[in-house]
Amino acid sequence: EPEVTQTPSHQVTQMGQEVILRCVPISNHLYFYWYRQILGQKVEFLVSFYNNEISEKSEIFDDQFSVERPDGSNFTLKIRSTKLEDSAMYFCASSGNRGQGWQYFGPGTRLTVT
Amino acid sequence: EDKVVQSPLSLVVHEGDTVTLNCSYEVTNFRSLLWYKQEKKAPTFLFMLTSSGIEKKSGRLSSILDKKELFSILNITATQTGDSAVYLCAVSTGNKLVFGAGTILRVKS
Repeated sequence: EPEVTQTPSHQVTQMGQEVILRCVPISNHLYFYWYRQILGQKVEFLVSFYNNEISEKSEIFDDQFSVERPDGSNFTLKIRSTKLEDSAMYFCASSGNRGQGWQYFGPGTRLTVT
Repeated sequence: EDKVVQSPLSLVVHEGDTVTLNCSYEVTNFRSLLWYKQEKKAPTFLFMLTSSGIEKKSGRLSSILDKKELFSILNITATQTGDSAVYLCAVSTGNKLVFGAGTILRVKS
């Protein structure tokens, strides 16, 4: 069964450092998403991406965040200058259909900012 | 602001019991409602509902949507310890999923 993969599974970084979280969506999917889940809290939407453009972003997704699809398979989330409050589980998701279709989630990257 | 509210927040039952999980929503552009199960890490898909009144079933799990009253329920019959998880309700508004806080279900043997 096809699946979304994410690397690394756990990233520890110091405050102020840049991090790049990587995702490989399901190969024939066209819509890509990042969500985050702070420990003990709900899953929150960050950004959606289609046709090499951001479709929608949340208030959390400020200038410190960026997304990119550098090639035909990878989808990345960059945080330029990490803060302590960026510590969370970051999930990548993909879907074949906008809106009506369900999103497949990757296993997540746990980001710890010290 | 789009909102999804789940109840109860947590539930402890014994194996064999039947449980009902609730999800209500207020969103500006409803496309579908989805149920996910989250055990350790990634949410795994259970159901997607788009039309009112049509029950979706998968084994011991079933779900139904009421678009007039803006809620959905997820039923689990004959619960097993393997059903212990966080059950997430999410509403698709087109470009994103809006999640509820989840219901933590613990099934005791």
